[in-house]
Amino acid sequence: ELKVEQNPLFLSMQEGKNYTIYCNYSTTSDRLYWYRQDPGKSLESLFVLLSNGAVKQEGRLMASLDTKARLSTLHITAAVHDLSATYFCAVDLARGGADGLTFGKGTHLIIQP
Amino acid sequence: DTAVSQTPKYLVTQMGNDKSIKCEQNLGHDTMYWYKQDSKKFLKIMFSYNNKELIINETVPNRFSPKSPDKAHLNLHINSLELGDSAVYFCASSRRGGTGELFFGEGSRLTVL
Repeated sequence: ELKVEQNPLFLSMQEGKNYTIYCNYSTTSDRLYWYRQDPGKSLESLFVLLSNGAVKQEGRLMASLDTKARLSTLHITAAVHDLSATYFCAVDLARGGADGLTFGKGTHLIIQP
Repeated sequence: DTAVSQTPKYLVTQMGNDKSIKCEQNLGHDTMYWYKQDSKKFLKIMFSYNNKELIINETVPNRFSPKSPDKAHLNLHINSLELGDSAVYFCASSRRGGTGELFFGEGSRLTVL
């Protein structure tokens, strides 16, 4: 059974600081996704990583994938309050099949002034 | 011009009642899903349908019955509601053979009293 673990589950940080969220998974896969969820809202797709070594950046967020280590990271640079949200990583075992994604428990990120 | 839309967004009902949630997507996708998000924000897949065919049926009580009249619609009917059914139910869609990225609806918050 696939397990997806995020670390940390809760993070409080100051504006301007850098930090990294980690996502480990238990079964071989080369497809990993990051989503953002604001309170009471839907899940918004941030990054789609489809191969070993994939790196994607959008603004202050950068995601990477190491399939050999079964590890993805979401790096936050010079955090701002607007990035406060819950971030989920998710893994696809079926390579675009109809099995859906298996999600981690989410990292609740609070960025304080 | 919502891509994945769910109705209703909120349901408040008594134990023992029956309720339905409807989902429609206009993305031209062929696969649709129901996910349950509990009070701890953990997301778990319940069902997936590909071209109206049931693909995944996770260990969900028989009281939950999905129906897909066509590939753009997936409904969820819940019989004999229990307190533990209180959660946010998300509909999502994807294209089989694509990147595996899921596109989520806004969620339907079910509260069972």
